[in-house]
Amino acid sequence: GQQVMQIPQYQHVQEGEDFTTYCNSSTTLSNIQWYKQRPGGHPVFLIQLVKSGEVKKQKRLTFQFGEAKKNSSLHITATQTTDVGTYFCAGLNKAAGNKLTFGGGTRVLVKP
Amino acid sequence: NAGVMQNPRHLVRRRGQEARLRCSPVKGHSHVYWYRQLPEEGLKFMVYLQKENIIDESGMPKERFSAEFPKEGPSILRIQQVVRGDSAAYFCASSPGTVNTGELFFGEGSRLTVL
Repeated sequence: GQQVMQIPQYQHVQEGEDFTTYCNSSTTLSNIQWYKQRPGGHPVFLIQLVKSGEVKKQKRLTFQFGEAKKNSSLHITATQTTDVGTYFCAGLNKAAGNKLTFGGGTRVLVKP
Repeated sequence: NAGVMQNPRHLVRRRGQEARLRCSPVKGHSHVYWYRQLPEEGLKFMVYLQKENIIDESGMPKERFSAEFPKEGPSILRIQQVVRGDSAAYFCASSPGTVNTGELFFGEGSRLTVL
């Protein structure tokens, strides 16, 4: 079945630094979504990417969808303590049904 | 506007008992998804329902687990004869259409502990 993998599993970042988390799918995706889950909380939608090579920005967050629509990345600049949480990518492969397959997440810890 | 409402937020059961988790989607949403999350892990798809219909239950164990989304009332995830391995957070999510068209709105989850 479809698999979505994320690396790294854990990301320790100094406040003010940049980092990138990567998402890879075993199959070509129709779209990819990113969610953030704060500790003890629930996943909250961040963004959806649909087109090959698409890049979207939200303030300090930059999301990219690969040309082959099998991978994606999230880059955060000037990390703040409010960025703490787990970032999940979730891929939709319409051929596998209308359900999102989530990656294992990247857990971000920020050192002040 | 109320978001996705799940209850109970926390549930403790002994082995062999039944757990019943409820989910009221965002008003107007007819698509409901249930996901399971173990500590430090991702969300595992369990089941996708539309009003009165199970669309995809490929992620749900065949034994002991069932789900419904009746015409009136919340969606219910039922776990019969719970075992310790069922301890997890169960998240419900809803959407107005299929995920091809937009995001999932998640509830705050029901955290099941089996003693």
